Amino acid sequence: ETGVTQTPRHLVMGMTNKKSLKCEQHLGHNAMYWYKQSAKKPLELMFVYNFKEQTENNSVPSRFSPECPNSSHLFLHLHTLQPEDSALYLCASSQGLGQINEKLFFGSGTQLSVL
Amino acid sequence: GQQVMQIPQYQHVQEGEDFTTYCNSSTTLSNIQWYKQRPGGHPVFLIQLVKSGEVKKQKRLTFQFGEAKKNSSLHITATQTTDVGTYFCAKAAGNKLTFGGGTRVLVKP
Repeated sequence: ETGVTQTPRHLVMGMTNKKSLKCEQHLGHNAMYWYKQSAKKPLELMFVYNFKEQTENNSVPSRFSPECPNSSHLFLHLHTLQPEDSALYLCASSQGLGQINEKLFFGSGTQLSVL
Repeated sequence: GQQVMQIPQYQHVQEGEDFTTYCNSSTTLSNIQWYKQRPGGHPVFLIQLVKSGEVKKQKRLTFQFGEAKKNSSLHITATQTTDVGTYFCAKAAGNKLTFGGGTRVLVKP
């Protein structure tokens, strides 16, 4: 266990559904991230939160809406997704001190399929 | 933004043999990190390199940072089936990590 827990592990949704992905970290970190991993592209950074504030939005479509209520929890709200959004969504955390030597701790991911 | 390029994309290795995977950048890197993702798993941090020419070893894995800090390599000796997975390098800027495309390693017993 990495100390980063993601739920659900698998999710199948239709294009008109609304669902949320949840991430919780028990490491006392202050930075949390959403990454997307698909077969055709490398790990893509989506969002970064540092001390609950969003510090990075990597040109992500508005059908993905992140929420970070506190430093331990991160959500990704999904609505009107497209089939090409099917991918593994990985949450990660780091100390969040802005130092160059921060390493990421990843959760096990949510495998999302959009039908 | 600037990316890091990894080669090869796939590496088929006979068990017991050595291999090297490379990570290249067109710009100077402040540091480089390496991660391993087992099939069906998630990326796990392996190591970070910061200094020019730095070499670090973890058992059969040897990581190197180029003198110009524009490239890095991972060399695995006496490959084992447990080495199967995808190895990613990632460049860091603050607490933002950008990953390379990875080298997927398949081991033939």
